[in-house]
Order: sequence, then structure tokens, then C-alpha cells
Amino acid sequence: QSALTQPASVSASPGQSITISCSGTSSDIGGYNHVSWYQHHPGKVPKLMIYEVTNRPSGVSNRFSGSKSGNTASMTISGLQPEDEADYYCLSYTSRDSFWVFGGGTKLTVL
Amino acid sequence: EVQLVESGGGLVQPGGSLRLSCAASGFTFSGYSLNWVRQAPGKGLEYLSYINRETDNIRYADSVRGRFTISRDNAKNSLFLQMNSLRAEDTAMYYCVRDHNWGFDIWGRGTMVTVSS
Repeated sequence: QSALTQPASVSASPGQSITISCSGTSSDIGGYNHVSWYQHHPGKVPKLMIYEVTNRPSGVSNRFSGSKSGNTASMTISGLQPEDEADYYCLSYTSRDSFWVFGGGTKLTVL
Repeated sequence: EVQLVESGGGLVQPGGSLRLSCAASGFTFSGYSLNWVRQAPGKGLEYLSYINRETDNIRYADSVRGRFTISRDNAKNSLFLQMNSLRAEDTAMYYCVRDHNWGFDIWGRGTMVTVSS
């Protein structure tokens, strides 16, 4: 299965906002609201940041928000902080055989 | 504490087999679907396999279908991944992951698999 498409990298300064996109098809993102986002600091365990497109788990900062339009999902991080520097992955349910598919990942650099 | 702990990784020759295990604690294991995810060195997360609570819905990524087998033992709170015909490209950190409300909310720390001669 082809991975969902994310930008390889994004960068911004502390305090700014960024949006990471995740593009798929009608078989995954466009067809279902089962999109989630993960923060992964190298050497640590991935952390769930957003589920079901827009929902934040308990304990996740409200600086993180999610949305979807058509076949593209997005996650916005506002008020960037140095600790937000990490890799971010989207994940979507897919009607194809695998059931789930990840995006290729986006490296966020907080300058 | 809710946790997943993987084991069984190691060094194996190409064409060999390994069986990964994932021990769950702190939650009702039988009430959740589970998954395996891996990350090869320098690469992104790759979804591998899914198993539902009743084990009557099992899925695989194309990259491992026919070589890997996922299973679970609800009585022993354990998830497994039998990996056969291993290739160099299967070298990765393997994570056991809980599925809740359509999000992967609990991740194990991973177990490293290295396929090399």
C-alpha cells in the first residue's frame, strides 16, 4: 500500500504556527474520519496527539488541532515551542487490505 | 500502569524466523484491537498488521503478507508476531500498539530485529 503523502520537513520559529498536511485518497482519508496524528521524538515512543480527525487525548496541549477537507487531513501546531521539534506522522484507516496506513512522516524543526 | 512490553527481537540470518511477543498489563487486554508497527533505521513508521478482539479480523500490509502471522492469547494478555522468510529490509524496531477509539493510544517501547548474515 502506498503511504499517505506528507511534506518531508517543515520549520518555523518559536511562537509561530505550522500546519502539516497528509494527503490520501477516497479509500482512506477521504472516505473515513479515522485519521490520527503522532509525535515521535527520536529514541522515544510515538505519542498520539490527535484521533478521529479533530479529537485530542487527555493531556495533549490544545495548541495541537486537526482538520480534514476531502482527501487531505491536516494538523496545526500553534505557539510553537522548542519541545515540539519532532517527527510527525498521520495514520488513516483504509478500505484496502491492510486496514491502516501511515503517512511518510514530517520532520518539524523549531528554529 | 497501562503498558505493553515487547520481546523476542534479535539478530537473525536472511531467510530465518523470529517470534515477537508483546505482554500487556494494566488494562483489559481482550477488550482492544492490537497492531504491529515498525520503523527501519532512518525511515518512517510502517504499519504491519492488525488483529481484532475476537481474532476473526486479521490484516497485513503488502510488505509482510504471507511471511508474517499475527496472533493473540487473551487468556495470557499477549500478542505475537511470527516472522518467517526474513529479509534485510525487515531490519527495524518493532512496536506493539493498542487501538482505542480509532487511535493508537498505547505503544510499547519496541524490540529491535536485525536481519543480517
